[in-house]
Parts: sequence; structure tokens; C-alpha cells
Amino acid sequence: QVQLQESGPGLVKPSETPSLTCAVSGYSISSGYYWGWIRQPPGKGLEWIGSFYHSGSTYYNPSLKSRVTILVDTSKNQFSLKLTSMTAADTAVYYCARVMTTVTDSAFDIWGQGTLVTVSS
Amino acid sequence: SSELTQDPAVSVALGQTVRITCQGDSLRSYYASWYQQKPGQAPVLVIYGKNDRPAGIPDRFFVSSSGNTASLTITGAQAEDEADYYCNSRDSSGNHVVFGGGTKVTVL
Repeated sequence: QVQLQESGPGLVKPSETPSLTCAVSGYSISSGYYWGWIRQPPGKGLEWIGSFYHSGSTYYNPSLKSRVTILVDTSKNQFSLKLTSMTAADTAVYYCARVMTTVTDSAFDIWGQGTLVTVSS
Repeated sequence: SSELTQDPAVSVALGQTVRITCQGDSLRSYYASWYQQKPGQAPVLVIYGKNDRPAGIPDRFFVSSSGNTASLTITGAQAEDEADYYCNSRDSSGNHVVFGGGTKVTVL
């Protein structure tokens, strides 16, 4: 079955730019679907960060667009998230997920377990 | 508007029916998807599209919509349905995704 597994640095210092990786197994990201990142600060709700399609279309949350980059490595069947100028407000569990996208909806049907990133000096 | 609004919390007696709402202008054009999240776990998709359930999701979960409001109904609520529920949709531009703030469902 399709599985996603996030990995990240755990603890980062303010202003650093960590890289989070989502390794996908059981399905080639080049075969289709959108894929995305979502985060959840401790005790708070879900926030969409961005999504991409394997052919190159990438969309970012307008509130994060200036600081976010999603990169894709089809040879390793994984994608990564870079978020610049981290602050304490970026402390969150970061999830990657597969997105079922149609004309009328975007549903995140398969999620990774999430990786906690804590921003602290 | 790019926002989806949910009531923060709702409670339901065991075996009764509860409805959770999600409001937003984009819901006039796009379906809402619904997720269940239990403490310490990743969200799980429970409903998407017009009324589609992923494999393993019981049919006591179903959705309806009217105007700018989508509703998730749980009929015969079970103890295991106690969780946070989130809706999401695309925003009015169609290019971005938005999530509601979540509703905590307590089964009494």
C-alpha cells in the first residue's frame, strides 16, 4: 500500500532553513496525483503549506509563499520542504500527504505520521 | 474569501446523531472534505466529494451541503468517534487549499 514517511531535523534555531523530506513508497510520484505539505502547531488546527503535481505545477499558501519551496526528487521518489527564516511560530508537526484532486475538490487521502519541528535557540 | 469556519466544539450522547458544519464562500463552488484526528495521530480522511468514503470508513458518516455550508453528520455516534474533525476545500481562486479551524466532538 501507499505509505508516506516524513523526516526532519527535530530542533532548529531561529532564522535557520531546515529541510524536511517525505519519502513515498508503494506508488511513484511521477505516476500522478498532487502531493502536499500540511502543518499543525501544538494544540492548534491544520494549515496547508503547499502542493505540487509531478509535471511541475506547484502552489503555495499565500501567507507562506515568500518563505516556502517544495522540491521533488523523482529518482528517490521523495519530495522536500524548505522553509526559510524560521521563528517560534513555525513550531509544528509537519505532515506530507497525497492529494486526490478533481475539478471540484482536493482531498488528502493518505498522510504520513508527521514530524515535529521545534524552533528554539 | 479563503476561510472556512467551524464551531469549536460539540457534544453528542452515545448512539445519538451529531452534525458538524463548515462555512465558507468557496463551498459554493467546491466540495468539502472531512478529516478525523485523534490525539497524537495524523488526520484520517473520512468523507470527500459528493459523499464518498474511503475504504474502512463506516456509513454512519455522511455529508450534505447547502449554499456556503457543508455538514458532516454522524448517526449513532460511537465512543471511537470522539475526535477533532476538520473540513477543507479549495479557496475561491481554485488554486489553493484551506482548512477549517476544527471541531472537537465529545461523545458523552
